[in-house]
Formats: sequence, structure tokens, C-alpha cells
Amino acid sequence: SQQGEEDPQALSIQEGENATMNCSYKTSINNLQWYRQNSGRGLVHLILIRSNEREKHSGRLRVTLDTSKKSSSLLITASRAADTASYFCATAPNSGNTPLVFGKGTRLSVIA
Amino acid sequence: GAVVSQHPSWVICKSGTSVKIECRSLDFQATTMFWYRQFPKQSLMLMATSNEGSKATYEQGVEKDKFLINHASLTLSTLTVTSAHPEDSSFYICSARPAGGPLYNEQFFGPGTRLTVL
Repeated sequence: SQQGEEDPQALSIQEGENATMNCSYKTSINNLQWYRQNSGRGLVHLILIRSNEREKHSGRLRVTLDTSKKSSSLLITASRAADTASYFCATAPNSGNTPLVFGKGTRLSVIA
Repeated sequence: GAVVSQHPSWVICKSGTSVKIECRSLDFQATTMFWYRQFPKQSLMLMATSNEGSKATYEQGVEKDKFLINHASLTLSTLTVTSAHPEDSSFYICSARPAGGPLYNEQFFGPGTRLTVL
């Protein structure tokens, strides 16, 4: 089952602009992760943020987590054409040996 | 560390045949592996949870007799699509969770297998 809902579903921006994607989820989580997927390829793990963290940075990526609103955002600064891909959030539930649950994803197009 | 491989990376088969996809954890042991399916322009949907030495747990709507899962060792799980039909054409991705250690709570994904059924 899918728990995360990303918005927007699709985003088109010019190179150099910032891209913001949002993710909402329904149940309590241990952590939330963001993945990138180029068309027809596997997943690339971008960043993991734990439930007790509020913000995390990795290079041009900035992730926030608001557990009270059950939402997260991924910001990509100074976007490049190579950032064109689908981005998924995935939540790790609190309970035991359960799998990651993926959101529907945002398709990002960065136009050179 | 924590590398997961899948074989084959792509396969084309005729309708009615069976296809086996392997998922291996290369540098860690995994008591639990997960199988996901992804249709074009959609997200990953969990198909089943594969536990070493026991029967897999299937998600609602996934036919266990059609998608046979065998997790015979701590480093290998296989998914067999039996009597494949064109609607089974999809991208199949496995993931593995380490049996212990500092990475226990994480999942590591394979590169995926693209199945095309003609």
C-alpha cells in the first residue's frame, strides 16, 4: 500500500532555479527517505531523515521533516538538467520488520 | 558495503512461459527481502515480503501462485513469474534488510529487472 503522497506530481523548471517537492504520510514513522529514479533505471538513495530530526542537508539537497503535520519536503537548489528524474519519498514505519512504503513520486524536468 | 544485485537486468519472454528473477545481497546477510513492482510512470508497489526459511507474505491482490518467492538462503531470494502474460510486463525491484548490525533498520535496493512479456 502507498502511504506517501507527493506534490506536485510533475514539476518543470529552468536550470538554475530551485525545485521543491513535498511529501505527506499517514502513520507514525521511524524515518523518511528520499530517492531519485532516472527513467527506466533503479533507485538512487538521496537522503534519510530520522523522526527526531527536523532538517538535513546533503550538497544541494535540503530535506525537512514535520512529524506533527506528517510531511516532508525536498529542496534541490540551483537545479541542473541532470537533476531531471522522478523523486520518491519513502517512509519506514515504526513497527518492526516492515518495508518502506513509497509515495507516488514527483516527475521533475529541468530545462537547460 | 550493503550492495544488492539482481539478475537478469532485463528479460523478454513469450506469453505463457515462466521467468525467474534473482535478488542477492552481496556483502551482508538478509533475513528479510522485499519484492516491489513498478509500472510505467507509477511508483513502487510492494508485492511481498520474503523471509529466509519461511513462506513469503503477499500483499493484497498479489497472487501467490503466480508470483512464487523462494528465500532459501540468507543472501538469495528468487521471484518466479509463472505463466507470464503481457500485463505482467513491469519493472521488478527487490530490496534487502541486513540481518543485524548498525544498518539493520535500512533497506538496500537492487537495480531492478525489466520484464517484457510478448
